Amino acid sequence: NAGVTQTPKFQVLKTGQSMTLQCAQDMNHEYMSWYRQDPGMGLRLIHYSVGAGITDQGEVPNGYNVSRSTTEDFPLRLLSAAPSQTSVYFCASSYGVTGEQYFGPGTRLTVT
Amino acid sequence: AQKITQTQPGMFVQEKEAVTLDCTYDTSDPSYGLFWYKQPSSGEMIFLIYQGSYDQQNATEGRYSLNFQKARKSANLVISASQLGDSAMYFCAMREGGGDMRFGAGTRLTVKP
Repeated sequence: NAGVTQTPKFQVLKTGQSMTLQCAQDMNHEYMSWYRQDPGMGLRLIHYSVGAGITDQGEVPNGYNVSRSTTEDFPLRLLSAAPSQTSVYFCASSYGVTGEQYFGPGTRLTVT
Repeated sequence: AQKITQTQPGMFVQEKEAVTLDCTYDTSDPSYGLFWYKQPSSGEMIFLIYQGSYDQQNATEGRYSLNFQKARKSANLVISASQLGDSAMYFCAMREGGGDMRFGAGTRLTVKP
């Protein structure tokens, strides 16, 4: 199993540009989530999904959209990038709503 | 509202000694899980240990143990016989019934030779 994969690993955007961060898992996990990690801080939840077709907001959802059309994929869209969105983005998944989450390697995003 | 509190931004420990990393949490949900993750300088998140709110015994995983004091809402991580490779950021996290996981700000552990 590849586990949780994320692409790209690094990305530089200009203010106002849009892009999609990809996340996929091959463990048939129902639950998937996106976090951002700013320097010296813990992870903050952006959006999460408890199954295909179901998404919900976390702590810091503004400026981001998600969709979950399949169990495997959970892309995160930045609608109009801002410097405040410079961060490391982690995708995670778990079998259910309890138990540990498995994390992808992260995407380092810089917005200039 | 802050649900997970890690009060130690940084900790130092001598190699081969034990160290305790503090974590307190706040929840009114009777069913929840507590987790510790390690983040080395390479950046990946590594799961270490899990404690369920209904578990009667403290969780242990090799050199890691979780000192769970439910009444005090405390879930401290104990690392025994520290190794140089234990130097990393450590995050406490909690998962309530709804499934979303919330993290503390982390503690940077440095193991001295």
